[in-house]
Amino acid sequence: TQLLEQSPQFLSIQEGENLTVYCNSSSVFSSLQWYRQEPGEGPVLLVTVVTGGEVKKLKRLTFQFGDARKDSSLHITAAQPGDTGLYLCAGQGNNAGNMLTFGGGTRLMVKP
Amino acid sequence: GAGVSQTPSNKVTEKGKYVELRCDPISGHTALYWYRQSLGQGPEFLIYFQGTGAADDSGLPNDRFFAVRPEGSVSTLKIQRTERGDSAVYLCASSRLAGAWETQYFGPGTRLLVL
Repeated sequence: TQLLEQSPQFLSIQEGENLTVYCNSSSVFSSLQWYRQEPGEGPVLLVTVVTGGEVKKLKRLTFQFGDARKDSSLHITAAQPGDTGLYLCAGQGNNAGNMLTFGGGTRLMVKP
Repeated sequence: GAGVSQTPSNKVTEKGKYVELRCDPISGHTALYWYRQSLGQGPEFLIYFQGTGAADDSGLPNDRFFAVRPEGSVSTLKIQRTERGDSAVYLCASSRLAGAWETQYFGPGTRLLVL
């Protein structure tokens, strides 16, 4: 059972549309990270959020950490085909080894 | 600089065989993690090393799985008597330290298929 629940699992949209991916947990994390994974590759870190209520922007991507540090969201504005991929959220810091606890992922397809 | 590398990139084996998967972390990184990613799911933690010792192996599914890191650098994940359910992508990650805000850098993974 995943401690982090991501929604939606799949998302297919047209180029130019906006979208939001959610990551929810009943556990508190010291930090929460968002990764993007391309086929045949490992996850690549996009951003780390550490403070409750924190908002970070990376070009067209906006990441938010919930006030209670249990949930997060990723919003993409004006999606492009190059945004296609698997988006993973991962919590860190609620165990001694600081290993990552991943959500199930959101598979995004942006059609031109 | 060089990232995390994993070999082989793909491994096909028969049920009951023994396999070894290798991970070369980023030079100087003391923490090394193994994760397993089944099709359509997020990665799940297997084992973590701090230096040469396995600091937490609570994610290993059973005693057929074992991992070593004898010199605190390269790590090998060993799977005995492979089963079809072991088929997955095995990911390795390393970080400078094992701190709560340390970035883990992932390798490309080894795709294991057990026939």
